[in-house]
Amino acid sequence: DSGVTQTPKHLITATGQRVTLRCSPRSGDLSVYWYQQSLDQGLQFLIQYYNGEERAKGNILERFSAQQFPDLHSELNLSSLELGDSALYFCASSVGASGSGRETQYFGPGTRLLVL
Amino acid sequence: GQQLNQSPQSMFIQEGEDVSMNCTSSSIFNTWLWYKQEPGEGPVLLIALYKAGELTSNGRLTAQFGITRKDSFLNISASIPSDVGIYFCAGQLEGAQKLVFGQGTRLTINP
Repeated sequence: DSGVTQTPKHLITATGQRVTLRCSPRSGDLSVYWYQQSLDQGLQFLIQYYNGEERAKGNILERFSAQQFPDLHSELNLSSLELGDSALYFCASSVGASGSGRETQYFGPGTRLLVL
Repeated sequence: GQQLNQSPQSMFIQEGEDVSMNCTSSSIFNTWLWYKQEPGEGPVLLIALYKAGELTSNGRLTAQFGITRKDSFLNISASIPSDVGIYFCAGQLEGAQKLVFGQGTRLTINP
């Protein structure tokens, strides 16, 4: 158990809909990262928040957005869903965000999203 | 986006055999990480490497950070059934927070 929790574990929805994925980081961690894992693209970084502020952005679509709340939990919002958005979405957390390369990221169990 | 080339893509071995997999990149990384992912779970960190040439062990696992900072390898000695899973390398660029992942090596062990 990494200490990172994600809900829900599974989500089935229809195209055009909007969903919210939730992540609680490990106790004491200030950074939250979101990754998407699909069969054809592998694990791809989406976005990072540090202490409530957006810190880095990766291959995140404009239809997707995220935020980190004062209690440090984070939500990833996916809207106007398409079939290709079906994937595993992982949240990871780390203590800081210095970019020094020593911020070990611990991953949650993921949310499996299926868009029908 | 940037990618790491991880090989082999899959391995089928007998229990007790040693395993070796590696990752290469055209970019220089200042951190290399190795994760293992089992079905329905998130990646679990196995070994973290922070310095070129560093050789680190975690039980039967040994990983090295290449001297050129563009590659890393992971060895598993005397494999056991619970080693089954997908192993990912991940690199972190200087000053960047995000991890860049390899495509994974799927390990299957025949008892």
